Amino acid sequence: DTGVSQDPRHKITKRGQNVTFRCDPISEHNRLYWYRQTLGQGPEFLTYFQNEAQLEKSRLLSDRFSAERPKGSFSTLEIQRTEQGDSAMYLCASSLTQGLVEQYFGPGTRLTVT
Amino acid sequence: KQEVTQIPAALSVPEGENLVLNCSFTDSAIYNLQWFRQDPGKGLTSLLLIQSSQREQTSGRLNASLDKSSGRSTLYIAASQPGDSATYLCAMRDANAGKSTFGDGTTLTVKP
Repeated sequence: DTGVSQDPRHKITKRGQNVTFRCDPISEHNRLYWYRQTLGQGPEFLTYFQNEAQLEKSRLLSDRFSAERPKGSFSTLEIQRTEQGDSAMYLCASSLTQGLVEQYFGPGTRLTVT
Repeated sequence: KQEVTQIPAALSVPEGENLVLNCSFTDSAIYNLQWFRQDPGKGLTSLLLIQSSQREQTSGRLNASLDKSSGRSTLYIAASQPGDSATYLCAMRDANAGKSTFGDGTTLTVKP
């Protein structure tokens, strides 16, 4: 049984570059969530999908951020023209839509923008 | 807009002590509440989930309670151990079972 996986685990990039992260949810989970966490803070919601449909986006998700889940399986989060303020841990979670709807989190992608 | 507060921000206790972590929230229209554990630089591990209609859940040495009328949840840890040292986060799931709103966590240190 595999949990939620994220790739890469760490990414160092220069300001102005584009980066893309990938999340593979638990296979039978049709909901997928992206959160961002900075040091000493709790995770902040960015966006979530049900199957391939993006159901909600946070105001935190500026025009430089885009997320996709084209086939309702894995998801990608792209940040264009990165800024130092984008440095954070990007967390992905997945869940079912019925029953307990418990969220399971991946290990996160640590982004450092220099 | 849901706001979640966790007090204290940090807690240090000697091994073997029983302790309570607090979580308060402003909007009682929730689907469920989850307590998570996070080790430094790692992802979140789910500890307990309480449905909106429930009052408490237990797992081993952990017991979580939910009081929607007062906007409070507590996580009770019995007979604490050094391995319990971590940051504990509570998260309120919105009424549509969509996004979660997290507190900023309580960082627990259990001294041998």
